[in-house]
Amino acid sequence: QVQLVQSGAEVKKPGASVKVSCKASGYTFTSHGISWVRQAPGQGLEYMGWISAYNGNTNYVQKLQGRVTMTTDTSTSTAYMELRSLKSDDTAVYYCARVAYTSGFDYWGQGTLVTVSS
Amino acid sequence: EIVLTQSPGTLSLSPGERATLSCRASQSVSSSYLAWYQQKPGQAPRLLIYGASSRATGIPDRFSGSGSGTDFTLTINRLEPEDFAVYYCQQYGSSPWTFGQGTKVEIK
Repeated sequence: QVQLVQSGAEVKKPGASVKVSCKASGYTFTSHGISWVRQAPGQGLEYMGWISAYNGNTNYVQKLQGRVTMTTDTSTSTAYMELRSLKSDDTAVYYCARVAYTSGFDYWGQGTLVTVSS
Repeated sequence: EIVLTQSPGTLSLSPGERATLSCRASQSVSSSYLAWYQQKPGQAPRLLIYGASSRATGIPDRFSGSGSGTDFTLTINRLEPEDFAVYYCQQYGSSPWTFGQGTKVEIK
């Protein structure tokens, strides 16, 4: 069965960086993209961008351009999302999701809480 | 960027009633690439509907989606206790992909 398992919760200081991992199993990793979505406490879903696991092409939302990098390691079927220059309003649960292209985001990781606090 | 506006913000209904949720796009959604997700507290979202009207694997047939262009609807017939949750629409036809702000379906 398809599973996306994310790394554990992180606490970071403002200005630091965080790197969240998302290990995929149960399907051919390079056949789908991975998207990242975050959710601030009590708020809605915010799309961050996505990466093709086939060729590594990325597409980020303009708001995060220059601060976010999404990568994949096909040898371990793992996707990564690094966010730099963290601010307090980056505090959120970060989700990875499998991109099914014509079918939306069909599988999701369990979420990783990133807390940014001095 | 396509802005999705969901209404109402909160829907108060009783089990067994029908829920009708709306998602309006600021411009036409390409190829009806419109999805609906359900999210319960402390859980990741779950895909319900894709392509505006196709149910995802394992989704009960009381969930149905309709619409095209800029107006889309999620209907939940005969609400079950487990259906009380927050629902989000998402368009994935035009970059950047975007989500609506959500509709909470609560028990009346």
